Amino acid sequence: AQKVTQAQTEISVVEKEDVTLDCVYETRDTTYYLFWYKQPPSGELVFLIRRNSFDEQNEISGRYSWNFQKSTSSFNFTITASQVVDSAVYFCALGLNTGFQKLVFGTGTRLLVSP
Amino acid sequence: DAGVTQSPTHLIKTRGQQVTLRCSPKSGHDTVSWYQQALGQGPQFIFQYYEEEERQRGNFPDRFSGHQFPNYSSELNVNALLLGDSALYLCASSLRTGRSEQYFGPGTRLTVT
Repeated sequence: AQKVTQAQTEISVVEKEDVTLDCVYETRDTTYYLFWYKQPPSGELVFLIRRNSFDEQNEISGRYSWNFQKSTSSFNFTITASQVVDSAVYFCALGLNTGFQKLVFGTGTRLLVSP
Repeated sequence: DAGVTQSPTHLIKTRGQQVTLRCSPKSGHDTVSWYQQALGQGPQFIFQYYEEEERQRGNFPDRFSGHQFPNYSSELNVNALLLGDSALYLCASSLRTGRSEQYFGPGTRLTVT
């Protein structure tokens, strides 16, 4: 069975603090994809990153960085110098390498950044 | 470049009624997936369409059905609505080839009373 766990329900930080959102996944597949999506109050899921299971390189994009560790089945997301506009619900998702990919989502982490 | 669009934005229905939600994929995309997101939860996969056929289905009853048209747009139909069907329904589009990421629309908020 495939499962994504986001143990942090809600995180509150003050602007300019760094924050890490945790994601742990379970799958027996050897080939899979991991995603992070942002869901602002408007409701639309915004794609942030995709990682495939063969690429364990960490990635940095501006203030965002991702740490993929296959050994611990984790794909954590760090926001450096958080801003109020980062306030949203963040979802980690697992995509399986079947012929047609469906996503299995975690329950999300609500991030509140206050000024 | 138009993104994924969905209609209507909001919908209120009564138990037992039927509803149809619509989705137009991002330009160039040929695969459409539908997800149900209950309040405070992550999206749950309903089904996926490619070449006008249902290719994958999640753990949803037959009351949930869909269709994809030749222009790649899609509809989600739900029959015999239950109170528990109240949720945000998200449509996502992607490219069949290359295992591309899925791009989501703004969703349709369905309330069943």
